[in-house]
Amino acid sequence: QVQLKESGPGLVQPSQTLSLTCTVSGFSLTSSSVHWVRQPPGKGLEWVGAIWNGGSTDYNSALKSRLSISRDTSKSQVFLKMNSLQTEDTAIYFCTRWLVAWGQGTLVTVSS
Amino acid sequence: DIQMTQSPASLSASLEEIVTITCQASQDIGNYLSWYQQKPGKSPHLLIHGATSLADGVPSRFSGSGSGTQYSLKINRLQVEDTGIYYCLQYYSAPRTFGGGTKLELK
Repeated sequence: QVQLKESGPGLVQPSQTLSLTCTVSGFSLTSSSVHWVRQPPGKGLEWVGAIWNGGSTDYNSALKSRLSISRDTSKSQVFLKMNSLQTEDTAIYFCTRWLVAWGQGTLVTVSS
Repeated sequence: DIQMTQSPASLSASLEEIVTITCQASQDIGNYLSWYQQKPGKSPHLLIHGATSLADGVPSRFSGSGSGTQYSLKINRLQVEDTGIYYCLQYYSAPRTFGGGTKLELK
């Protein structure tokens, strides 16, 4: 069955770079899009960006300058990199296939 | 970017009551609209896609309607397990955008 699992550092210092990995199973990255969505504690959902089945990407307009999404199809992994992190980037980060099947999310805290 | 305005922000309703949540898009999104339910500590769960199509396994008391810029999620005969936060999402164009959410509680 379709599964997605996020992994990452948990704690990141301000101004540093966040690197997250979404490891998928049950489907191919060349036939599905994978999106990243984040949710600050106690707040709503925010679409972060996506990598499409063909490998092109789209990003949240407000995050575009700091964000990069890529993938390794041979390892069934999608990567999110966001630089110049601030406390406002503290959130649960979800990866999701087609915005239908979701991972459990990983909490990223930006703090010194 | 397309803005999604969701209302109300919170809602308290009784068991068996009919509940309606709305989303207004800043431009025509051609029915490219999904609804999600999120429970505390859980990932969002897809309820409706294409504005009106029920996702697999979703109870028939949930229904979606609308067109153009105005969309609604209706819950007939509210049940205890329907409490949570509901979000709309437009997927007409990138960047995708979510509504602000509606917190649904039992009265």
